[in-house]
Amino acid sequence: SQTIHQWPATLVQPVGSPLSLECTVEGTSNPNLYWYRQAAGRGLQLLFYSVGIGQISSEVPQNLSASRPQDRQFILSSKKLLLSDSGFYLCAFQTGAGGSPLHFGNGTRLTVT
Amino acid sequence: SQQGEEDPQALSIQEGENATMNCSYKTSINNLQWYRQNSGRGLVHLILIRSNEREKHSGRLRVTLDTSKKSSSLLITASRAADTASYFCATDGSGDKLTFGTGTRLAVRP
Repeated sequence: SQTIHQWPATLVQPVGSPLSLECTVEGTSNPNLYWYRQAAGRGLQLLFYSVGIGQISSEVPQNLSASRPQDRQFILSSKKLLLSDSGFYLCAFQTGAGGSPLHFGNGTRLTVT
Repeated sequence: SQQGEEDPQALSIQEGENATMNCSYKTSINNLQWYRQNSGRGLVHLILIRSNEREKHSGRLRVTLDTSKKSSSLLITASRAADTASYFCATDGSGDKLTFGTGTRLAVRP
């Protein structure tokens, strides 16, 4: 069966420190991969999406970057965190045609202090 | 900008009552999806309705789509306390990428 793993579940980091959030998918090949951020009580903001290894599209200019070093691995990074980077980060994968349902991980709660 | 906007933002009902949430969007779509999010968790896909469909059912869920009004509604019948969650609509108006609304927070009182 298809599963998605996202870690860590929670993270507290000081301003200016680096960030690395990892997401891996099992049970499928060549999925579309997504990183979303959700502010408290708000909707989801699409940050990055990838249709293949090394192919990353950025939706919003910001302090973050994404990489896809392997087919089923998606990494969200920052060299220096800002207070405004705090939020709930969700990774998701999609198989099939565009517009197909997304399958989400359980998210990472990031607090930048 | 958000493609989908849900209303109401928050809804509180008694167990056993029906809950109706609405979603409006701005551009043409191929399909519209509804998701559920329990507090502090990831989203779970509930139902997908295509642009050529007007109504779809799944268990206690009923979704309607009116493309002329660019709107959709999600009806949860005979609500249960376990239905307490946030509900989001998502549209594919931006190509392959799904754009989510701001969600409706549903509280079902036992």
